[in-house]
Amino acid sequence: QVQLQESGPGLVKPSETLSLTCTVSSGSISDYYWSWIRQFAGKGLEWIGRIHSSGSTNFNPSLKSRVTMSIDTSKNQFSLKLSSVTAADTATYFCARSLSSAAGEVQWDFWGQGALVTVSS
Amino acid sequence: DVQMTQSPSSLPASVGDRVTIICRANQSIRNYLNWYQQKPGKAPKLLIYAASSLQNGVPSRFSGGGFGIDFTLTISSLQPEDFATYFCQHSYSIPLTFGGGTKVEIK
Repeated sequence: QVQLQESGPGLVKPSETLSLTCTVSSGSISDYYWSWIRQFAGKGLEWIGRIHSSGSTNFNPSLKSRVTMSIDTSKNQFSLKLSSVTAADTATYFCARSLSSAAGEVQWDFWGQGALVTVSS
Repeated sequence: DVQMTQSPSSLPASVGDRVTIICRANQSIRNYLNWYQQKPGKAPKLLIYAASSLQNGVPSRFSGGGFGIDFTLTISSLQPEDFATYFCQHSYSIPLTFGGGTKVEIK
């Protein structure tokens, strides 16, 4: 079955850019929506945004000004960049898959294991 | 934004108990509500989608209900592997948001 794996630096300095990649294996990246979701130490979950295999994106308005997402279908990978990070961006970052972007049809059936990113100097 | 509020935040229970978790939206979200289970150090796992549809492979002791504003997740007979944290998530509009979680713990 589909597997997702996050990768990237575990430590980022304040004001710099957080960069993560999610590699999809045992399945195609095409025709799905791929989200980034983060979880804070207090356990709250926050949806960051999503990208479709076509390259179309939607972002959480609270983060939109700092978020960039891209996708490389030839490598079965998609990526997240979050700029101007602060300690408040310290979290475990998950990538996840949904079949649809339609209202009422967005549920994440496959997730990566998560990557802890700490923002600290 | 649609805000999701879960209760209780902590639920002490014993094996065999019937447990119910509540999720409330601050506006009607039709049946656009999903439930996830998360165990320590793991990613959330989809249990229920569209308020009451059981995800493939999820045991039938899990059930969901509700429409509009109020939703429930029920475990009919709690099993040892069910001690975990449960989150609701709406899919009504962007931004997609989660409830704060309910930790089902051993009484």
